[in-house]
Amino acid sequence: EPEVTQTPSHQVTQMGQEVILRCVPISNHLYFYWYRQILGQKVEFLVSFYNNEISEKSEIFDDQFSVERPDGSNFTLKIRSTKLEDSAMYFCASGRLAGPTDTQYFGPGTRLTVL
Amino acid sequence: QKEVEQDPGPLSVPEGAIVSLNCTYSNSAFQYFMWYRQYSRKGPELLMYTYSSGNKEDGRFTAQVDKSSKYISLFIRDSQPSDSATYLCAMSEARDDKIIFGKGTRLHILP
Repeated sequence: EPEVTQTPSHQVTQMGQEVILRCVPISNHLYFYWYRQILGQKVEFLVSFYNNEISEKSEIFDDQFSVERPDGSNFTLKIRSTKLEDSAMYFCASGRLAGPTDTQYFGPGTRLTVL
Repeated sequence: QKEVEQDPGPLSVPEGAIVSLNCTYSNSAFQYFMWYRQYSRKGPELLMYTYSSGNKEDGRFTAQVDKSSKYISLFIRDSQPSDSATYLCAMSEARDDKIIFGKGTRLHILP
């Protein structure tokens, strides 16, 4: 069964450094998302991406964040200058959303630790 | 009022019992309702997906949506220790819209 994959599974970085989190969505999906989950908190929406542009972004997704689909298979989230409060699990999700029962499928997540 | 409210638990029930998990919400524009299961430090795994009001059954799992009361439920019959996880309710206004999650209910099924 196809699944969303994410790399790395765990990333440790120093405050102020740039990180890139990578995702490979399910191959025939057209809608892509990033969510994050701070430890002990709810899963929160960051950004949605469709047709090579951002569809919607939350207030969390400020100028430090950017997303890109550099080729036909990868979907990346870049944090330009990490802060301590960026420490969280980051989940990529994708969906085909072509039928009444289609929804978003989540990857296993990247745990980001900012020191 | 928070957009989606969910009792965080933990909820402990004996193996074989029927489990009832619930969420309330405030946004009447929500049309799509999901239940995800999440194991510790893993990604949410879709369990059930319902459009608008009504019931949906899949094996031991039944999802109910009551839009008039803004209340959704997940029932697990014949609960197993392997059902022990955090269950997240989630909803969206449109299929391609952002998903709004509840905080999750931690469920323990006791052997």
